[in-house]
Amino acid sequence: AQSVSQHNHHVILSEAASLELGCNYSYGGTVNLFWYVQYPGQHLQLLLKYFSGDPLVKGIKGFEAEFIKSKFSFNLRKPSVQWSDTAEYFCAVDPMEYGNKLVFGAGTILRVKS
Amino acid sequence: DAMVIQNPRYQVTQFGKPVTLSCSQTLNHNVMYWYQQKSSQAPKLLFHYYDKDFNNEADTPDNFQSRRPNTSFCFLDIRSPGLGDAAMYLCATSAGREGFYNEQFFGPGTRLTVL
Repeated sequence: AQSVSQHNHHVILSEAASLELGCNYSYGGTVNLFWYVQYPGQHLQLLLKYFSGDPLVKGIKGFEAEFIKSKFSFNLRKPSVQWSDTAEYFCAVDPMEYGNKLVFGAGTILRVKS
Repeated sequence: DAMVIQNPRYQVTQFGKPVTLSCSQTLNHNVMYWYQQKSSQAPKLLFHYYDKDFNNEADTPDNFQSRRPNTSFCFLDIRSPGLGDAAMYLCATSAGREGFYNEQFFGPGTRLTVL
């Protein structure tokens, strides 16, 4: 079945550590790619998106993600995390052939220790 | 601020007792979505409205219905909630412009408990 996979469900890091969250998808056609973040008690917010062009996209709060088409991957990175990055992170794919819909990964809960 | 509002934030219902969840938006978006998110799982699209056109996902149970009386409001009706329907229900909206990707904006969700 076509899906979106996030490799780790829980990640614990110390402040200033580097972060990389994996995301792979199984749709073969053209896709739009997203990372959403959900801070404790808040709603889902868009962190960054990729539609086309430069495969390295930069988002808010120092996050970036790299689209590697050959690997069907869209990994999220941040060089130095802060305690305030504690949140749940969702990768999402818009498989454009199905219209303006999002298919989400199961999420990764990041806890940053101060 | 323009936003997506969901009421209530927490809803408790009894097994088999109909329940309605509410979503409203001040963004004037013409597309509204309902997602179901169970614990430790991905949000799963149940259905969406493009203006007044209802689009059901193939695997959404018949127990779930939706109404959109106007642009601003959309309701999720669960006719006979089962224990397996306990979840967070997320409403989202997008502008729905033809030929463009339209970002989805999410509400805070309603957490449904079924006793």
